[in-house]
Amino acid sequence: GQSLEQPSEVTAVEGAIVQINCTYQTSGFYGLSWYQQHDGGAPTFLSYNALDGLEETGRFSSFLSRSDSYGYLLLQELQMKDSASYFCAVNRDDKIIFGKGTRLHILP
Amino acid sequence: DSGVTQTPKHLITATGQRVTLRCSPRSGDLSVYWYQQSLDQGLQFLIQYYNGEERAKGNILERFSAQQFPDLHSELNLSSLELGDSALYFCASSAGQGAVTEAFFGQGTRLTVV
Repeated sequence: GQSLEQPSEVTAVEGAIVQINCTYQTSGFYGLSWYQQHDGGAPTFLSYNALDGLEETGRFSSFLSRSDSYGYLLLQELQMKDSASYFCAVNRDDKIIFGKGTRLHILP
Repeated sequence: DSGVTQTPKHLITATGQRVTLRCSPRSGDLSVYWYQQSLDQGLQFLIQYYNGEERAKGNILERFSAQQFPDLHSELNLSSLELGDSALYFCASSAGQGAVTEAFFGQGTRLTVV
């Protein structure tokens, strides 16, 4: 089967850096994605890693290591608006499978 | 605005009833995905269509069915509804299938079964 594990909650301080980890038990997938979802809203795409290594998009970076079955999302210069749930996802066999999500709490 | 349109936004219905949720993908997108999100839960993959054909199935109940029409819009039919079917149902679309970089989500349909 395919499963992705993420911490259920993470708390960080405004202006700081936070890393949200994602470990997975699947192989043969095309890439690892990250999505953000605010309460009551739709998931929105943040980042995608097709290859191992770091992808940077503004304040957000994402990392993938296929040999370690591991990835992470790094959020820098945290802002209160970053309070949301973050999901990692893999696409394989025409499916996009999501982890259960990590709720990020940001303290002022 | 993702360009994906879902209707209705809210739906309240009684147990045992049947409802149809509608999704119009982004212009040009051929793939449509359906997801169920219960309270404080992740996005459970239900089913995927590409250019009118079913291509992947997840943990979709037999009471649920879907189709994608020639104009590429999709419908998710939920029948014999139970209280536990209350959830947010999302539709997403992408240009292709397989190595999909990014999927675009609609605003969802909130289904409440009473």
